[in-house]
Amino acid sequence: GAGVSQTPSNKVTEKGKYVELRCDPISGHTALYWYRQSLGQGPEFLIYFQGTGAADDSGLPNDRFFAVRPEGSVSTLKIQRTERGDSAVYLCASSPTGPKDTEAFFGQGTRLTVV
Amino acid sequence: KNQVEQSPQSLIILEGKNCTLQCNYTVSPFSNLRWYKQDTGRGPVSLTIMTFSENTKSNGRYTATLDADTKQSSLHITASQLSDSASYICVVSGGSSNTGKLIFGQGTTLQVKP
Repeated sequence: GAGVSQTPSNKVTEKGKYVELRCDPISGHTALYWYRQSLGQGPEFLIYFQGTGAADDSGLPNDRFFAVRPEGSVSTLKIQRTERGDSAVYLCASSPTGPKDTEAFFGQGTRLTVV
Repeated sequence: KNQVEQSPQSLIILEGKNCTLQCNYTVSPFSNLRWYKQDTGRGPVSLTIMTFSENTKSNGRYTATLDADTKQSSLHITASQLSDSASYICVVSGGSSNTGKLIFGQGTTLQVKP
């Protein structure tokens, strides 16, 4: 596609529910990144995929968070037993080959609200 | 600890005026430094990217500087426009050799008033 696309753009869920956030990277980009941005803060790293594998998942805050990229393109961030503290904008980015790329392209984000 | 600190946290200027945003970082080793503009409700969009050997780069009315010795960068906006109102985020790539962790500052929120 022309850019990184994230769906849904907004998601409201009840505490304790399970949610899935989807990211469609730019076609052909092998590197995909998930970030979380709380209100008034800069984005925080969650996980980085190189192809189908998670090359670095050290930013995932706990085992309620999980992400997959089964075919090396679309990625899904999954959050189990959501908590109010999970409310944030979840940003996805992709780049052609990896972290040393000079450019990473961001999607518009999914705003998650846990009530 | 790898960190990126930005100042000021927020800034209000009148349309047509210039402004300068600051970024200090402690990321080591250093790969590159990027300035992003983030409009409300949108993802960040890259303005400039500088590597260790570059000390200035311009993109229209935006000029970024980098002093790799003092680990400081600035973003200068000339002749501001209302559309410049946004959050400006300094991002440093570096740390471990192959990590995906772009290290973000907390951003400077710029408001340009008519």
